[in-house]
Amino acid sequence: GAVVSQHPSRVICKSGTSVKIECRSLDFQATTMFWYRQFPKQSLMLMATSNEGSKATYEQGVEKDKFLINHASLTLSTLTVTSAHPEDSSFYICSARGDRGGDGYTFGSGTRLTVV
Amino acid sequence: KQEVTQIPAALSVPEGENLVLNCSFTDSAIYNLQWFRQDPGKGLTSLLLIQSSQREQTSGRLNASLDKSSGRSTLYIAASQPGDSATYLCAVNSGGYQKVTFGTGTKLQVIP
Repeated sequence: GAVVSQHPSRVICKSGTSVKIECRSLDFQATTMFWYRQFPKQSLMLMATSNEGSKATYEQGVEKDKFLINHASLTLSTLTVTSAHPEDSSFYICSARGDRGGDGYTFGSGTRLTVV
Repeated sequence: KQEVTQIPAALSVPEGENLVLNCSFTDSAIYNLQWFRQDPGKGLTSLLLIQSSQREQTSGRLNASLDKSSGRSTLYIAASQPGDSATYLCAVNSGGYQKVTFGTGTKLQVIP
C-alpha cells in the first residue's frame, strides 16, 4: 500500500530558529500533498495544500511567510517553520493522495515540534 | 463549507463489546469518506475508505457504512479489544479541490 514517510518525528528548537519537516511518498507519486496541524485534544486542521512545481495554497489564517512549503518533486514536500516561537509548538502531519482517482489519503507519522 | 461531527466525543466500553461510532457531515456531495485511528502522539492509520458510490466496507472486525443522502457514516467495531483503544477520526473528501475535512474524533477506551 501507499506509504508516506515524515521526518523528523520529534524536534526541539530554540525560539527564533527555523525547522524543516520532510514528507516523502515512498512508493507512489504525489502531485499534491497536504500539511496539517493538530493542537492537543483537537482534530487536524488543514494548513496548506502543496502542489508539485507550483506555489502552495494556504488556508485562511495561515501565515505563508512563516510556514514555507516547497514541493520540488513528485515525492517530496517540505514544511519550514521560520523564526519559530513557542506558540508554534504543535503536532504537524503531512498527507498525500495516491495517484489513482478515488484513492484515499495516506498520512505520515507526524512531527512533534517543541519550541523553547 | 463542509462540517464533520463525530458522536460521541469519548466512549468507554468493556472488552468484548460491540460498538458503533458515528460521523455526520453537512454536504452530501462527497468523493469518499475515510476512517482513521490515531494513537497518542502518533500519526494517522487508515482503517477503511468508502467511495461515494459504496454503502459499506469491511476489514476484519471493522465495518463502515455510508449513507450520503442523510450525511452519515458509522464505524462498527465487533468484539472490541484493549488494543482498539485510540482516537477514531472520520475524514470527508469533498469540494472542488477535493479537500479533506476531519471530524472532531471519538476517543475510545476498551477496558480489559
